[in-house]
Amino acid sequence: KAGVTQTPRYLIKTRGQQVTLSCSPISGHRSVSWYQQTPGQGLQFLFEYFSETQRNKGNFPGRFSGRQFSNSRSEMNVSTLELGDSALYLCASSLALMDRNTEAFFGQGTRLTVV
Amino acid sequence: AQSVTQLDSQVPVFEEAPVELRCNYSSSVSVYLFWYVQYPNQGLQLLLKYLSGSTLVKGINGFEAEFNKSQTSFHLRKPSVHISDTAEYFCAVSDGQGGSEKLVFGKGTKLTVNP
Repeated sequence: KAGVTQTPRYLIKTRGQQVTLSCSPISGHRSVSWYQQTPGQGLQFLFEYFSETQRNKGNFPGRFSGRQFSNSRSEMNVSTLELGDSALYLCASSLALMDRNTEAFFGQGTRLTVV
Repeated sequence: AQSVTQLDSQVPVFEEAPVELRCNYSSSVSVYLFWYVQYPNQGLQLLLKYLSGSTLVKGINGFEAEFNKSQTSFHLRKPSVHISDTAEYFCAVSDGQGGSEKLVFGKGTKLTVNP
C-alpha cells in the first residue's frame, strides 16, 4: 500500500512569492496534519485537516494556510514568502482525527528554500 | 501546553555499544509519549509509544523506552546499536484535550554510530 506522498520534493522560491505544497495521504486515511521542520525551531505543528475542515491550528501567521479536498488530499499554501520560511515541510496522515491512539504516518517532506 | 526536552543534541557511539537517548517532558495530568526516528532525507517513522500500562515499552528495531512519572522522563535505549541506527531521533508528546491533538516534538538527538 502506497505511503504518504508529498510533492514536490524540492522547491526554490524567491522572497515575496507564494508557494503551494501537496500531500496525498495513505488510501483510506481521512486526516492530514502539516509540520514545519527547521534547524532552529525543530518540528512545529502547522494545522490538521479532517473531512475537509481545519480541526486544529498551530502558532503560525495567517500567511500559512491549507485546505483539504473530498478525496482527503491536502494542500498547504504560504504567501509572501520570507527567508525564514525555508524549511522541510512534513505531512502526516492518519485514519481518523489525531488523538493519542491514532498513529500518524509521515511523508518524506518538501524541502522549501527561499532565496 | 506540553513541552519536551531532549537533553543531548548529538550522541556518538561505537557499533555494538549500548545507547540511551534522554527525553524529559513537562508534567501534566495525562501524558502520552512517542519516539520517532528520521533517517536522512526521509520522513518520520514511529519507533514506539506509551499510552498507559506497563512503563517499559518495546518498539521496532530493538529499541525500548521506560516511562518514569516521578522523573518526568521517557528515555530511549538500545542494548547494542548498528551502523544502520544512525539517524535523528525525536521524542514527542501528544497535546490536546480530546478532539484533535497535535504532536509536540523535542529538538531531536542525532545518533551517530561509528564502526
